Amino acid sequence: AQTVTQSQPEMSVQEAETVTLSCTYDTSESDYYLFWYKQPPSRQMILVIRQEAYKQQNATENRFSVNFQKAAKSFSLKISDSQLGDAAMYFCAYRGGFGNEKLTFGTGTRLTIIP
Amino acid sequence: DAGVIQSPRHEVTEMGQEVTLRCKPISGHDYLFWYRQTMMRGLELLIYFNNNVPIDDSGMPEDRFSAKMPNASFSTLKIQPSEPRDSAVYFCASSLLAGGRETQYFGPGTRLLVL
Repeated sequence: AQTVTQSQPEMSVQEAETVTLSCTYDTSESDYYLFWYKQPPSRQMILVIRQEAYKQQNATENRFSVNFQKAAKSFSLKISDSQLGDAAMYFCAYRGGFGNEKLTFGTGTRLTIIP
Repeated sequence: DAGVIQSPRHEVTEMGQEVTLRCKPISGHDYLFWYRQTMMRGLELLIYFNNNVPIDDSGMPEDRFSAKMPNASFSTLKIQPSEPRDSAVYFCASSLLAGGRETQYFGPGTRLLVL
């Protein structure tokens, strides 16, 4: 079974600085997808960024980017120019290939932005 | 698009009562997922449907839980009888499997409290 590990329960960063959240996963599949979701206090799950395993290029979405290391099974999220609105729980999630559509989530990292 | 719609947003009930949670997926999406979030277990998949057919219900805790999807625009998750340990946030998500770019979009969740 696939597992997703987020080893940082809490992180904090100064506003406008850069922070990196870690995620590792375990799988025997070669075709899969990785996601970062943000959960603010409202509890809404918001997609931040996604990465297809077959793509070597790291995904980017504005201030958010990932460092995808397939051999190391690592998928970290970098947030640049941190803003107060970035404060939230961040969940790393894994989805297998076709026929394995369920998401497996990590335990989350609570990110605090220091003004 | 209105996104995934869930109702009710909050539900407080007494142990032994029947609880029904409702979900309207994004129009055109062919997958629907029910997740549960608790402090102890994190985010876990309960069941998911493809084209209204249940595909994987291995995450459903026990026979007290049941889920249906009578048509492409509506699903229910029912708990009968409810117990205090069922207290959690229940999320519905939907996705469209198109070209392998499937991403799950989450509803706002239903916060359930069983007294």
